[in-house]
Amino acid sequence: GENVEQHPSTLSVQEGDSAVIKCTYSDSASNYFPWYKQELGKGPQLIIDIRSNVGEKKDQRIAVTLNKTAKHFSLHITETQPEDSAVYFCAATTGAAGNKLTFGGGTRVLVKP
Amino acid sequence: GAVVSQHPSWVICKSGTSVKIECRSLDFQATTMFWYRQFPKQSLMLMATSNEGSKATYEQGVEKDKFLINHASLTLSTLTVTSAHPEDSSFYICSAVRVGSLNEQFFGPGTRLTVL
Repeated sequence: GENVEQHPSTLSVQEGDSAVIKCTYSDSASNYFPWYKQELGKGPQLIIDIRSNVGEKKDQRIAVTLNKTAKHFSLHITETQPEDSAVYFCAATTGAAGNKLTFGGGTRVLVKP
Repeated sequence: GAVVSQHPSWVICKSGTSVKIECRSLDFQATTMFWYRQFPKQSLMLMATSNEGSKATYEQGVEKDKFLINHASLTLSTLTVTSAHPEDSSFYICSAVRVGSLNEQFFGPGTRLTVL
C-alpha cells in the first residue's frame, strides 16, 4: 500500500520568513495530494491540494509543488505569520477505496514573532 | 461550503458504557465518510470507511464489534464505541467526501472521548 513520509517533524521559523515542508510517497498511482492544517484541539482543515496533472499550485501565501518522477511534493508558506503556527499534514490517495487518504506523520510549525 | 460537524465535541463516560458520535455533512452530500483516531502529537489513524447504505470497511486491527459504524443517509454517519474502556480515550475525527468532487475530503472538528 501507499506510504507517505513527511519532513521535518518540527519547524521553527521567524515571522516573515518562509517555511517548506516536504513529503514523499511510494505509490506511483497516487494522483491527489492534499495538505491539511490542524490547530490544537481541532480537526484538520484543507488548505491546498494538487492533482497529478499539474506541477504547481498557488493560493496567496501558500503554494504546493509536485514532482511525479521523484514522487515527492512540498508545501511552501511565504511571509509566515504567528497564526500559521499549527501542525501540517500531507496526504496522498490513488482515488481507490472511496478516496482513502494516507497521511504523513505531520510537521509542527512554530512561527516566532 | 463543505462544512462537516461532529457531536458531541467532547464526552466523558464511565468504563463499560457505550458512546455514540455523530458526523454530519451540513451543506453537501457524502456517499463516503471516514473515521479516524488521533493520539496526542501523532498523525491520524484511519479506523474505517463508512459507505452510505452498506457495511463499513474496517482497517486491520480495528475491532468492528467495538466500533460500530452506521451510515444511514448521505449526510450522517455515526460511530458507537461499545463497552468503552480507558484505552479507548482518544480524539475521534470524521471526514466526508463530497459527492461529485474529485477526491476532496473535509474533516469534522473532532470529538474528545475520555473514559474513566
